[in-house]
Amino acid sequence: AQSVTQPDIHITVSEGASLELRCNYSYGATPYLFWYVQSPGQGLQLLLKYFSGDTLVQGIKGFEAEFKRSQSSFNLRKPSVHWSDAAEYFCAVGARGNKLVFGAGTILRVKS
Amino acid sequence: SQTIHQWPATLVQPVGSPLSLECTVEGTSNPNLYWYRQAAGRGLQLLFYSVGIGQISSEVPQNLSASRPQDRQFILSSKKLLLSDSGFYLCAWSFATRMKVEQYFGPGTRLTVT
Repeated sequence: AQSVTQPDIHITVSEGASLELRCNYSYGATPYLFWYVQSPGQGLQLLLKYFSGDTLVQGIKGFEAEFKRSQSSFNLRKPSVHWSDAAEYFCAVGARGNKLVFGAGTILRVKS
Repeated sequence: SQTIHQWPATLVQPVGSPLSLECTVEGTSNPNLYWYRQAAGRGLQLLFYSVGIGQISSEVPQNLSASRPQDRQFILSSKKLLLSDSGFYLCAWSFATRMKVEQYFGPGTRLTVT
């Protein structure tokens, strides 16, 4: 069965510092991978997605993620974090029946 | 473009009362529809999904039910709420094709059962 692990429950970075959020997945075939962001009390917004092709994908708000098949990872990165990036981030993998399996989420705090 | 609406935005209901949450999608036809729950400090739990009118699949046994009376309308219901039903309820939609599995989420409904 598909599963997603986000090993970091909380991460705190200083404004302007770089960011990397980790995501590991378990899936038997070529995965469809996603990162979503959720601000407090809001719905989830799609940041980026990987289906095939170039393993480095660009998303909205300056985020990017790299698919590494050998490590079963899809880590999210941003070179310079802004205070407005503080939110919860979810990694997800596509499953049968057009369903998604989500990780438990990582809460990002940004220090000024 | 497509939009998804949920209402109400917040709801406070006593234990034992009924529940009806509504989700509608605009700008697309025959979408897949999903209900999720987020309990405090926990991830997303898929409750129900639907691939068409009247077609509902339940992911976990619970006190809730779902219905899809129209193509772009998805309703989450309960006859008698429990305290454990409190949480943040999210509706989502996706295209029905296998190559477009990303889901788009509504703004959510905060349900507090007292």
